[in-house]
Amino acid sequence: AQRVTQPEKLLSVFKGAPVELKCNYSYSGSPELFWYVQYSRQRLQLLLRHISRESIKGFTADLNKGETSFHLKKPFAQEEDSAMYYCALSGGGATNKLIFGTGTLLAVQP
Amino acid sequence: NAGVMQNPRHLVRRRGQEARLRCSPMKGHSHVYWYRQLPEEGLKFMVYLQKENIIDESGMPKERFSAEFPKEGPSILRIQQVVRGDSAAYFCASSPPSIDEQYFGPGTRLTVT
Repeated sequence: AQRVTQPEKLLSVFKGAPVELKCNYSYSGSPELFWYVQYSRQRLQLLLRHISRESIKGFTADLNKGETSFHLKKPFAQEEDSAMYYCALSGGGATNKLIFGTGTLLAVQP
Repeated sequence: NAGVMQNPRHLVRRRGQEARLRCSPMKGHSHVYWYRQLPEEGLKFMVYLQKENIIDESGMPKERFSAEFPKEGPSILRIQQVVRGDSAAYFCASSPPSIDEQYFGPGTRLTVT
């Protein structure tokens, strides 16, 4: 079954501390993995995707096929990073429907 | 480009009434996706449409729910005879042809009393 698991509902860190938001997936083929972010009172927006291998707003995520993980990391958290983060996968093909995890609320304390 | 538009933003319906949720995709986008988010859960795929065609409706409940994306006008998600369990946030996303990045609307929060 296709599934995305985000084990933490809430992650609270202090400003300047490293951040790691966990994401594990199960998928029988070769999925595309994404991180979406929703800031307060804003719409859901794409943060990054594994195929682009970019660093966006200081965040990176590496796809580990052996561990079926796609954890989101940032070395030094900022207060403006506080938001809801969703990991998602797409199987591609004829439909690009996204399968989302339940989300992790990141709270960066001053 | 105003982005994906959804209306209404909030909708209250009594049990048994019909709910119509509208989604206007971004200019140039011919693909529309609908997702539902129940309380304390992630977004769940419902249906994927292209202009005048339903491509994948594997996430749609078998009864009471329907979706369309006509040649002209917004995409409509229709829920007939709503029940309390339909209370959720409904999100629409759009993408251009051959591009898999989805752009999300602000969502419609449906409350069934």
